Amino acid sequence: QQQVKQSPQSLIVQKGGISIINCAYENTAFDYFPWYQQFPGKGPALLIAIRPDVSEKKEGRFTISFNKSAKQFSLHIMDSQPGDSATYFCAASIKGGSEKLVFGKGTKLTVNP
Amino acid sequence: DTAVSQTPKYLVTQMGNDKSIKCEQNLGHDTMYWYKQDSKKFLKIMFSYNNKELIINETVPNRFSPKSPDKAHLNLHINSLELGDSAVYFCASSQGTYEETQYFGPGTRLLVL
Repeated sequence: QQQVKQSPQSLIVQKGGISIINCAYENTAFDYFPWYQQFPGKGPALLIAIRPDVSEKKEGRFTISFNKSAKQFSLHIMDSQPGDSATYFCAASIKGGSEKLVFGKGTKLTVNP
Repeated sequence: DTAVSQTPKYLVTQMGNDKSIKCEQNLGHDTMYWYKQDSKKFLKIMFSYNNKELIINETVPNRFSPKSPDKAHLNLHINSLELGDSAVYFCASSQGTYEETQYFGPGTRLLVL
């Protein structure tokens, strides 16, 4: 129940295309859902995050869509660029719980020029 | 200035040795973490400290011992290193817990021969 399942494991997209990464969870107590971006040789960095009281959050070319009833959330990268090539992790945590982030297994995104 | 720094960046050592990794954050954050990222990029929390107090201690062999001399530092000592300890270890910090952004260090790449 503490797992966050992420798919696909890897994704190849052409420049200008849309990248979509999906995550699913079982524990309905999760109430904070961040996405982290990790470039090779670097530590992960927060990209965008959402609470379940909204169904969508957009920051520039990055959008999180959240479906509370389906217990799923996804990251959409519009107009994907080669500089977006990185590993993306979804995560979830519970307020007042163990207060740790549970990470998905990551998606390696490659954007071809 | 680097927000979260780790030393060393690379660590190559023999099985059975004892080693330490140091982490410092200059963000004034209250909470610090240690994560392990394996060869498949899976990111898993090991420990978390809040104001020098241990708040998360995942199922980690007791060969791993964290120490927080003050809230700006969190070190990781590993006894009797094993081949399976080879991984990238990330330190992170956040102002609080739960939905606060975690800032990751650059990682320490540990290779046990």
